[in-house]
Amino acid sequence: EPEVTQTPSHQVTQMGQEVILRCVPISNHLYFYWYRQILGQKVEFLVSFYNNEISEKSEIFDDQFSVERPDGSNFTLKIRSTKLEDSAMYFCASSEQAYTGELFFGEGSRLTVL
Amino acid sequence: AQSVTQLGSHVSVSEGALVLLRCNYSSSVPPYLFWYVQYPNQGLQLLLKYTSAATLVKGINGFEAEFKKSETSFHLTKPSAHMSDAAEYFCAVTSPGGTSYGKLTFGQGTILTVHP
Repeated sequence: EPEVTQTPSHQVTQMGQEVILRCVPISNHLYFYWYRQILGQKVEFLVSFYNNEISEKSEIFDDQFSVERPDGSNFTLKIRSTKLEDSAMYFCASSEQAYTGELFFGEGSRLTVL
Repeated sequence: AQSVTQLGSHVSVSEGALVLLRCNYSSSVPPYLFWYVQYPNQGLQLLLKYTSAATLVKGINGFEAEFKKSETSFHLTKPSAHMSDAAEYFCAVTSPGGTSYGKLTFGQGTILTVHP
């Protein structure tokens, strides 16, 4: 069964360092998303991406964050200068259609900022 | 703005007992509603969805949910719990149309424990 894959599964970094989280969406999907879950809190929407541009972003997704689909298969989330509060589980998701809301999620990348 | 409230962060049932996980939503427009499940060390998996068709929705693994507009609820049920149902369950809402199609608003999750 097709699945969304994410790497790394866990990354530890120092505050102020740049981090890139990678995702390979399901191959025929056209819509891509990043969500995050800070420990003990709700899963939160970060950004949606379609046709090589951001469709919508949340207030969390400030200038420190960027997304890219560099090669037609990977979908990346970059955090330019990590802060302690960026520590969270980051989930990538993709969907085939726009309006069903049926997202397929990866297993997540746990980011720990020290 | 939309929001989801899941009543009970932990629910414990005996194997074979009824499972009831509660979800209430708030939305200014007719919503699409979802239940996702997360097993340990796995991603979120869609259990079922309501997209304005039948109000009683059946999903995978014997789960179902009923959309009740008057109560703004979308509770998840399963008649008989199985040990393999132990997981965390998330209720989510979105508004169809526009550019917010993938912007799900999640509840805080309910951890279901099934004991023998």
